[in-house]
Amino acid sequence: KAGVTQTPRYLIKTRGQQVTLSCSPISGHRSVSWYQQTPGQGLQFLFEYFSETQRNKGNFPGRFSGRQFSNSRSEMNVSTLELGDSALYLCASSTRTGGDEQYFGPGTRLTVT
Amino acid sequence: AQKVTQAQTEISVVEKEDVTLDCVYETRDTTYYLFWYKQPPSGELVFLIRRNSFDEQNEISGRYSWNFQKSTSSFNFTITASQVVDSAVYFCALSDRAGTASKLTFGTGTRLQVTL
Repeated sequence: KAGVTQTPRYLIKTRGQQVTLSCSPISGHRSVSWYQQTPGQGLQFLFEYFSETQRNKGNFPGRFSGRQFSNSRSEMNVSTLELGDSALYLCASSTRTGGDEQYFGPGTRLTVT
Repeated sequence: AQKVTQAQTEISVVEKEDVTLDCVYETRDTTYYLFWYKQPPSGELVFLIRRNSFDEQNEISGRYSWNFQKSTSSFNFTITASQVVDSAVYFCALSDRAGTASKLTFGTGTRLQVTL
């Protein structure tokens, strides 16, 4: 079974631009969660989607948004990029929501200049 | 509020030594899940184990073992006879509100360096 895939793997954007990251979960997994990893703040939860509905949201500004499609694929969008948004963005999928083990993709490394 | 503490920032051992990574958690929920993940230099988080709050039985998988003690809110991870390939950052994580959402709260990680 193929693992979680994320595209693109690397991205360089300019402050003020917007960006869209994509995540394809493991086949059969319906829950997709997004995390941001930075050296200063560590791994932080962004949001979770299950059956196209946002189930939970972390403590991030409204510039961070996401959605999930009927095939469980998910996208996250960051508008008006700031230098502090530079991070590794990790997507994870699980069979169900709530307590199941989550399998992570390789991440998208976003650099904002 | 939930919290995970990994007090050991970095550990260095020589190959074949045993090493224990500590994890202490805080949660008000009675139902919760604990996890360990490994992050090698490639960056991808690799799932190692999941344990629910009602199962305090210790687990062993090859050279890996986990000790869960609710009385001390700890979920420690031991690698026996460490190998160079074990070098990575290890994260302990907590998920509560089980059945409703999958938010993982991670510790700050412990960087393990295994040398020859």
